[in-house]
Amino acid sequence: AQSVTQPDIHITVSEGASLELRCNYSYGATPYLFWYVQSPGQGLQLLLKYFSGDTLVQGIKGFEAEFKRSQSSFNLRKPSVHWSDAAEYFCAVAPRDNQGGKLIFGQGTELSVKP
Amino acid sequence: DSGVTQTPKHLITATGQRVTLRCSPRSGDLSVYWYQQSLDQGLQFLIQYYNGEERAKGNILERFSAQQFPDLHSELNLSSLELGDSALYFCASSVRDLSGNTIYFGEGSWLTVV
Repeated sequence: AQSVTQPDIHITVSEGASLELRCNYSYGATPYLFWYVQSPGQGLQLLLKYFSGDTLVQGIKGFEAEFKRSQSSFNLRKPSVHWSDAAEYFCAVAPRDNQGGKLIFGQGTELSVKP
Repeated sequence: DSGVTQTPKHLITATGQRVTLRCSPRSGDLSVYWYQQSLDQGLQFLIQYYNGEERAKGNILERFSAQQFPDLHSELNLSSLELGDSALYFCASSVRDLSGNTIYFGEGSWLTVV
């Protein structure tokens, strides 16, 4: 079955420290890949996406993600975390046959930032 | 601001009732999607419409239905509501770029069933 796994339910990092959020997917073929962020009481904001080409993808707010086909992973990274990055982060995949329309989400990783 | 507008933002209703959630997609977007976010199920795709026609279906209950109107706005109808239907319901719309779609979400409609 198609699935997305975010192994870390909750991560705490210090402000200024680097961050890596893990995402693994199980899919028949390489899907479209996305990272979304949800701040408390807010909707989902797209951070970045991978459709094809360069496997290192740059997003908004200083985030980047690297697609590794051999590991079926799409980990999100940020070199220096800001307090405003505290939020819940969702990795998502979508089948190419639906042209990326039907997102399958991971369970999310809640990020806390220590001052 | 994603450009996707959802109303109402909050809704409290009783079990057995029916509610309608409304969504206006981003200008020019032909596809509309509905998702449900609940504590136990996480984020789940419900249904997609493209230019007025149903395009894909996910884990949508038979008590739920949706439609997309000629002006491209969409409505999600939830009937015979149960306590377990309490959730955040997202609408999203998409624009086709390069080889796929980028999906933009609204801020959601919070539904509480009491």
